[in-house]
Amino acid sequence: SQQGEEDPQALSIQEGENATMNCSYKTSINNLQWYRQNSGRGLVHLILIRSNEREKHSGRLRVTLDTSKKSSSLLITASRAADTASYFCATDTGRRALTFGSGTRLQVQP
Amino acid sequence: ETGVTQSPTHLIKTRGQQVTLRCSSQSGHNTVSWYQQALGQGPQFIFQYYREEENGRGNFPPRFSGLQFPNYSSELNVNALELDDSALYLCASSPQGGTLRATQYFGPGTRLLVL
Repeated sequence: SQQGEEDPQALSIQEGENATMNCSYKTSINNLQWYRQNSGRGLVHLILIRSNEREKHSGRLRVTLDTSKKSSSLLITASRAADTASYFCATDTGRRALTFGSGTRLQVQP
Repeated sequence: ETGVTQSPTHLIKTRGQQVTLRCSSQSGHNTVSWYQQALGQGPQFIFQYYREEENGRGNFPPRFSGLQFPNYSSELNVNALELDDSALYLCASSPQGGTLRATQYFGPGTRLLVL
């Protein structure tokens, strides 16, 4: 079963716009991670936020975590065509596995 | 690109056959995890190997089995293939074992089609 659920399932924006994706999960976590996947290939780690952190930045990425609401958001600022991909949140509950959501498919139009 | 490699890239098998997928972990990583990703879904955890022993398992039947070798490379074996086993199989390595605190580094995957 998948703990995380991303919202929206699909998102289409113009280059230069910001993209926001949300993730909800069900149980307590040690950390939450965001990954990107291009065209059904391997996943690339983007950012990890620990359960005691509320916000984290990496380049054009901003991640927030609200453990009281069991939710996280990923913001990509000034999007580029190369950001077109599927984005997954993954939760680490300390049970030796990452639990992934079903992903958000982002299309950035040039 | 991570230093994780997988082989083969694509594979076609028929129902009932057996398949072995291979993964070489990133240098310095001693933990390997395997995931199954069905089309349009997120990856699902199959199992993890640490120091050549299974270190956690997801909700997959025993016909999914694995090995880890002294050089930390790994194999995923699937017996009695079923049509629903058609998926992208992803291998990920990480530098810590025991408790999963570190980032996982994914390989490009093996796409398996069962006919």
